[in-house]
Amino acid sequence: AQKVTQAQTEISVVEKEDVTLDCVYETRDTTYYLFWYKQPPSGELVFLIRRNSFDEQNEISGRYSWNFQKSTSSFNFTITASQVVDSAVYFCALSEAGSNTGKLIFGQGTTLQVKP
Amino acid sequence: DGGITQSPKYLFRKEGQNVTLSCEQNLNHDAMYWYRQDPGQGLRLIYYSQIVNDFQKGDIAEGYSVSREKKESFPLTVTSAQKNPTAFYLCASSPPGGWNQPQHFGDGTRLSIL
Repeated sequence: AQKVTQAQTEISVVEKEDVTLDCVYETRDTTYYLFWYKQPPSGELVFLIRRNSFDEQNEISGRYSWNFQKSTSSFNFTITASQVVDSAVYFCALSEAGSNTGKLIFGQGTTLQVKP
Repeated sequence: DGGITQSPKYLFRKEGQNVTLSCEQNLNHDAMYWYRQDPGQGLRLIYYSQIVNDFQKGDIAEGYSVSREKKESFPLTVTSAQKNPTAFYLCASSPPGGWNQPQHFGDGTRLSIL
């Protein structure tokens, strides 16, 4: 069965600290995409990144980086030198080719609080 | 600017009442989705539509209904059969390609019971 687990419910850091948000997924499909979304207090989900199951290259975008490891079924997200504006709920999500519906399976979310 | 508009932002429902949440998109996307978010939980899929005049149940469709008469519109009705409707509702859309495309989300509607 497909599942996404974000074991960290809440994380609190002080500004400029690095922080890693964990994401572990389960799927029987060999072809899938993984996504990260940010949900600021305003409520909308903002797309951050997607990664397909055949591309294990890590990616860096400014202060954000993502580490995809199929061997451990993980897709972790690191924020370097965190800022107060990074405070939000972050969701990891899975989409499987086999479903052909575009359905996203979300983790429970990790609430990140960055204190000044 | 292209995007998804949800209205109202806040909605209150009386017992036994049906309420309709609006979702409009001008992104020319074929697929649209409705999710429910409860505190401390991820989003759960209520209904989705991949094309006009067609829609499918998601994981928690009971007590909800939808229509898709126009490409840009996908309203969600929360019926009186939904016994626990208090939640944050998010509408999303995605371009052709579906499963491998990022979904774009609206700002959400927060529904509460009076």
